[in-house]
Amino acid sequence: EVQLVESGGGLVQPGRSLRLSCAASGFTFDDYAMHWVRQVPGKGLEWVSGISWNSGSIGSADSVKGRFTISRDNAKNSLYLQMNSLRAEDTALYYCVKGETVVVVGATLTNWGQGTLVTVSS
Amino acid sequence: QSVLTQSPAASGTPGQRVTMSCSGSSSNIGSNSVNWYQQLPGTAPKLLIYSNSQRPSGVPDRFSGSRSGTSASLAISGLQSEDEADYYCAAWDDSLNGLVFGTGTKVTVL
Repeated sequence: EVQLVESGGGLVQPGRSLRLSCAASGFTFDDYAMHWVRQVPGKGLEWVSGISWNSGSIGSADSVKGRFTISRDNAKNSLYLQMNSLRAEDTALYYCVKGETVVVVGATLTNWGQGTLVTVSS
Repeated sequence: QSVLTQSPAASGTPGQRVTMSCSGSSSNIGSNSVNWYQQLPGTAPKLLIYSNSQRPSGVPDRFSGSRSGTSASLAISGLQSEDEADYYCAAWDDSLNGLVFGTGTKVTVL
């Protein structure tokens, strides 16, 4: 059974940094692209960033480019999201999501974690 | 701001057929497959339909999807109370080089 467990969320002040982690199990991690998707409570879904199986291809939403960095460690079956220069509008539930294939392009999202809440506030 | 536009709400009584739409452009729905996600209250989204009309294992055949031009639609036939959820369409956008989601449709079972 695919399991994706996010961690690292919390309350952070504007302008500060936070690093999210996702521990994956139940599948061959380096056979799939991985993604982060966020959702403001009560609002819709927004794709944040995706990374290919070997980290060779990365894509990010314009809203986070230059501030957020996605990475992965295949040896540890882990996905990360380094979030810098956080803003109030980054407040959301962040989901770790498994892709259908090795590449980011196309991005059929097959399995979702339960999310970790990030609150940016002074 | 979502790139794909969905009807905000849909409703029906048990057993009825409900449909919802997803409107995009040539850079997303017009050139890439559409997926649909179901989000039950208080839970994470779940893949419901992929490649416009395919159902993952375990998804009832009451759910069906289609795509035509720059629009897509999702239908639920034989509506059940457990179908009450938010439904999101999504497609890759070649201009933005990223995944875009729809605004979401809230389905209510009367």
